[in-house]
Amino acid sequence: ETGVTQTPRHLVMGMTNKKSLKCEQHLGHNAMYWYKQSAKKPLELMFVYNFKEQTENNSVPSRFSPECPNSSHLFLHLHTLQPEDSALYLCASSQSGGLNTEAFFGQGTRLTVV
Amino acid sequence: GENVEQHPSTLSVQEGDSAVIKCTYSDSASNYFPWYKQELGKGPQLIIDIRSNVGEKKDQRIAVTLNKTAKHFSLHITETQPEDSAVYFCAASMNNAGNMLTFGGGTRLMVKP
Repeated sequence: ETGVTQTPRHLVMGMTNKKSLKCEQHLGHNAMYWYKQSAKKPLELMFVYNFKEQTENNSVPSRFSPECPNSSHLFLHLHTLQPEDSALYLCASSQSGGLNTEAFFGQGTRLTVV
Repeated sequence: GENVEQHPSTLSVQEGDSAVIKCTYSDSASNYFPWYKQELGKGPQLIIDIRSNVGEKKDQRIAVTLNKTAKHFSLHITETQPEDSAVYFCAASMNNAGNMLTFGGGTRLMVKP
């Protein structure tokens, strides 16, 4: 257990569906992240939240919509996805400010878009 | 932006042998270089990291070296064991960019008993 919990672990959705991925961290961190891990590609940073404020959006399509209601919870809302969006979506958290510190990852949600 | 290249993409070694994975980065402002291990069905976990003010760091069987001039860093695993089999990722980031890590493409390490 890393202290970062993601649900669900697996998700299959149609291209017209709307679903949400959830991430919760129990580490007292103030920064949370969404990463996308596709086969044969490096992990890609999607969104960054520092103190509940979005500070980065790495040119992610609008069909992905993040939400950070508090420093412990992070959501990724999905709608009208494409098959190429199938991937492992990883949430991470860290303590931001000062020297960089370890990022703790959840186990990920394996998303399949059909 | 930062670009991190990692080699090799796959590495097979005999149990007890050493394994070396190499990464290069493009942005000379990067100053934090973590290494993550990802086992099947799990998220990446930090195994060692190094900051730009040191050239080498060691933790039991694993060590990392950093050459700032050449902009490359390496992971060394000695006396490999079957449980070291996993995918290893290097990453780079800058202090003033929080923990926005740029990852290498990963190395699948297989340790044969």
